[in-house]
Amino acid sequence: AQRVTQPEKLLSVFKGAPVELKCNYSYSGSPELFWYVQYSRQRLQLLLRHISRESIKGFTADLNKGETSFHLKKPFAQEEDSAMYYCALTPMDSNYQLIWGAGTKLIIKP
Amino acid sequence: ETGVTQTPRHLVMGMTNKKSLKCEQHLGHNAMYWYKQSAKKPLELMFVYNFKEQTENNSVPSRFSPECPNSSHLFLHLHTLQPEDSALYLCASSQARGAVNTEAFFGQGTRLTVV
Repeated sequence: AQRVTQPEKLLSVFKGAPVELKCNYSYSGSPELFWYVQYSRQRLQLLLRHISRESIKGFTADLNKGETSFHLKKPFAQEEDSAMYYCALTPMDSNYQLIWGAGTKLIIKP
Repeated sequence: ETGVTQTPRHLVMGMTNKKSLKCEQHLGHNAMYWYKQSAKKPLELMFVYNFKEQTENNSVPSRFSPECPNSSHLFLHLHTLQPEDSALYLCASSQARGAVNTEAFFGQGTRLTVV
């Protein structure tokens, strides 16, 4: 079955500390992986996708097919990073369906 | 307003009422979606429309009825809902090209409370 797992519902770190939001997936084919973010009182929006291999707002994520993971990392957390983060997967045989993790709430303490 | 717009932002309805949620996008996208976001649950895909044709219905109860009159507008008609249907309903759109699904753009959602 296709599934995305975010094991941490809540992650709290101090400003300046490294951050790693975990995402594991279950899918037999080649997926496209995404991280979406929802800041307080704002709409859900794309943060980054694995095929772009880019760093957005200091965040990076590497697709590890061996471990079926797509963890989101940032070396030095900032207070404005506090938000809800969702990992999502699109099966390559479907143009439309995004399979979502349950989300991780990230709190950056001053 | 550009992007994806949902109305109303908040809705309280009784179990015997009939109401509709509206979604509008002016991004030129060809795919539109309804999602349900409940507390402590992952985002649940409800319906997918591609070029106005419904391509997916994820076992959604018939008390939810979608309508897509054109590629820019999407409705979710509600009738005889249950209290457990209370949630944030999100609309999204994307431009699907071949095997590549571009990012989904979301509306701000309609907070629905069924009393």
